[in-house]
Amino acid sequence: RKEVEQDPGPFNVPEGATVAFNCTYSNSASQSFFWYRQDCRKEPKLLMSVYSSGNEDGRFTAQLNRASQYISLLIRDSKLSDSATYLCVVKRSGNTPLVFGKGTRLSVIA
Amino acid sequence: EADIYQTPRYLVIGTGKKITLECSQTMGHDKMYWYQQDPGMELHLIHYSYGVNSTEKGDLSSESTVSRIRTEHFPLTLESARPSHTSQYLCASCSGATSEAFFGQGTRLTVV
Repeated sequence: RKEVEQDPGPFNVPEGATVAFNCTYSNSASQSFFWYRQDCRKEPKLLMSVYSSGNEDGRFTAQLNRASQYISLLIRDSKLSDSATYLCVVKRSGNTPLVFGKGTRLSVIA
Repeated sequence: EADIYQTPRYLVIGTGKKITLECSQTMGHDKMYWYQQDPGMELHLIHYSYGVNSTEKGDLSSESTVSRIRTEHFPLTLESARPSHTSQYLCASCSGATSEAFFGQGTRLTVV
């Protein structure tokens, strides 16, 4: 089983829709959680860190459920420019590497 | 904007050549990583470092080597390139405080 698993894509949604991605992680020692965005043929870029209390940044809301070991990302009022691959990332404490999920591809359609 | 740079951006070389992909960051991050990614596919960790003189192999078996002689510099070397090495190579550095990682723009390598 992969350490980080994400919803399989692609998600094709109309502009203005709300879309949610889920991600599960298997290692209960995971301490840090992130969502990254990767555009086609570009490098991943940090979208937001995910905090235990949940956090919001504009149209984006991230939540963490430690008991169930999953992370979610909600995008409201989708824009064409939100089309990208969204990567779930977890990290244990100490000198351990970041672990990336395979990513979920989102296409927002006019 | 993150201050992490990779050179070259694109490279086409012949089989059997030795190449070094450069990665430098000016953020003073101790942690640095190399990932390999084929188009439309997932990232694979090939090497990482937690500081000067520390290097570890990642999940993906790789014929490459790395060194970390200076904090800001984490070069990756292929002693003898093969067509199977054709891929995009992404370097990242990570803040020790927040664990947030920043990526370079990548090197797109083609071995012919």
